Amino acid sequence: AQSVSQHNHHVILSEAASLELGCNYSYGGTVNLFWYVQYPGQHLQLLLKYFSGDPLVKGIKGFEAEFIKSKFSFNLRKPSVQWSDTAEYFCAVNYGGSQGNLIFGKGTKLSVKP
Amino acid sequence: KAGVTQTPRYLIKTRGQQVTLSCSPISGHRSVSWYQQTPGQGLQFLFEYFSETQRNKGNFPGRFSGRQFSNSRSEMNVSTLELGDSALYLCASSSPGQVSEQYFGPGTRLTVT
Repeated sequence: AQSVSQHNHHVILSEAASLELGCNYSYGGTVNLFWYVQYPGQHLQLLLKYFSGDPLVKGIKGFEAEFIKSKFSFNLRKPSVQWSDTAEYFCAVNYGGSQGNLIFGKGTKLSVKP
Repeated sequence: KAGVTQTPRYLIKTRGQQVTLSCSPISGHRSVSWYQQTPGQGLQFLFEYFSETQRNKGNFPGRFSGRQFSNSRSEMNVSTLELGDSALYLCASSSPGQVSEQYFGPGTRLTVT
């Protein structure tokens, strides 16, 4: 079955620390990859996406992610986190790209200490 | 452009009742997908509608159903509610050219007592 794994359930960092959140997906051919963020009390927002081309993609608010096809991974990174990055982060995969169903990881809660 | 809107935002129902939730997509978006979010199971895909037709369905019982109207607005219905149906129900819409890039609404928080 198609699945998405996020290995970190809760990450606690101090401001200015670097962030890397892991995401692995099961094999399924062509994939479109996404990271969404859910700030406290707000709805899911698209952080960045990968469809094809350069495997290093940049998103909003200084986030970037790298698609490594051989490892079925799409890890999220940010060089220096801020307190305002405190949120829950979800990795999502669309297999095939022709239909609108996303398979989500369980999410990683990020807490940034000021 | 206005975002995805969902009504109502909060709902309390009793076990055995049925409920209908509504979603208005972003103008011009024709695909609408529904998801259930719970602390235990996370975000799970329910179904997707495109041009008034259900195009894809997740692994949920038949008590969960939906439909889409000609103006792309969508409704989902849950019949014979169970306590386990308590969740945040999210609607997402996407444009015809990029159906997998979805924009989410704020959700409807359903509590079943």
